[in-house]
Formats: sequence, C-alpha cells, structure tokens
Amino acid sequence: AQSVTQLGSHVSVSEGALVLLRCNYSSSVPPYLFWYVQYPNQGLQLLLKYTTGATLVKGINGFEAEFKKSETSFHLTKPSAHMSDAAEYFCAVSGSARQLTFGSGTQLTVLP
Amino acid sequence: EAQVTQNPRYLITVTGKKLTVTCSQNMNHEYMSWYRQDPGLGLRQIYYSMNVEVTDKGDVPEGYKVSRKEKRNFPLILESPSPNQTSLYFCASSLSLLAGAPNEQFFGPGTRLTVL
Repeated sequence: AQSVTQLGSHVSVSEGALVLLRCNYSSSVPPYLFWYVQYPNQGLQLLLKYTTGATLVKGINGFEAEFKKSETSFHLTKPSAHMSDAAEYFCAVSGSARQLTFGSGTQLTVLP
Repeated sequence: EAQVTQNPRYLITVTGKKLTVTCSQNMNHEYMSWYRQDPGLGLRQIYYSMNVEVTDKGDVPEGYKVSRKEKRNFPLILESPSPNQTSLYFCASSLSLLAGAPNEQFFGPGTRLTVL
C-alpha cells in the first residue's frame, strides 16, 4: 500500500519569499512521485515528476522538488513566490500498481 | 487541442435520480480514470480503465458504475445518487500504465455535483 502526507493544509508566503510545501510518502516499492497544481475552477496540471535518476527535479514555473529516500520526502520549493503561484498543490505517489495516490492538498496563498 | 472534456460542468439533482457524467479525451490514451475531490481528502480514485472493455475499482467505487466501450469515452454513472456523493469529480487520461514509469495524467476541468 502507498500513502502521501502533506504537512500543512494552508501555507501563506509573501510575494518574493521562498515557497516550501512538504510531502512525505510511504511506499513498499521504489516510488514514482508527482506534484500537481490546481488553479481555481480548473483541473490538475502536472508541475513535475520523479521517476528515476537525478533526485533534484525541475518543473514548470520555477518549481523544483528533491527526492530524499532516507527521509521519504519529496518537498516542493520555489525560491521566489509570485502572485500567480496562488493555487492548491497536490503531491502524489505511484507504486507497483502504477495508480496515483494523492495527498490531501496544500492551499498556497501569496501575500502582496 | 489535446484535452479531456467533461459534461456537465455543474449538476444539481435529487436523491435517487440516475445520472451520467461524460468524459472524453482526444489524445488516443489507453488509460482513463475517475476521481472525486473532497475538502481535506484530496483526490480519491473511483474507477479506472486500462483500455477498452477493461475497468477496475479504485479506492471509493461504491455507488458508481463505469463503462469503456470506446477508447475516447469513459462515462461515470450514478444509478441512485445520494447526498454523500455531492463532490467535485475529475476525469483523467494518460498513455498506457502497463510498462515503464507512469505517464503524466491529463485532467478534465471537473464536474461539480450536488445531490439534494
């Protein structure tokens, strides 16, 4: 079985500040890990994914995430927040069955 | 334009009245899936389909049915809706999951369903 825990259902940052959204996973097999973003009234879009290889993954809109096996973590970061980053972010894990299991989501608010 | 479409986008209905939410993709994807999104619970998978005529239960299949008669369409059927099925529903599709790392799932815009 696999699961995802996102720490913090709501995160607020000031424009220009570092964005850090936390994700920890549990998986019985080497995981594939994903971050999706959901803008208001829209479906989910893929930000980035980790499959194999380099543990630091770069995605769209300046986001990146680092896979840390020893910590079972896949935290999402962006050096400088922009107002347009305000959205809900979902971490997801895919294990042996290749089905996606999503976390409960983190709502990011960017303050002017 | 490559996309996943869902209809209707909004639906208010009453308990027990059968309804169907349609999902269609134009990317020739083998894999399709239905999720429901509820506050604080993220997305939970209802049903998925690996290909035409191949469907399987996800984590929360009770009260739902699906069919996959054509590759592009994957309708979600609620034969007797109840208030606890009030939710935001998403359809998604991707290339085959049968080999290699999972491919990106493309999501539809969502269907907001209210069951009174």
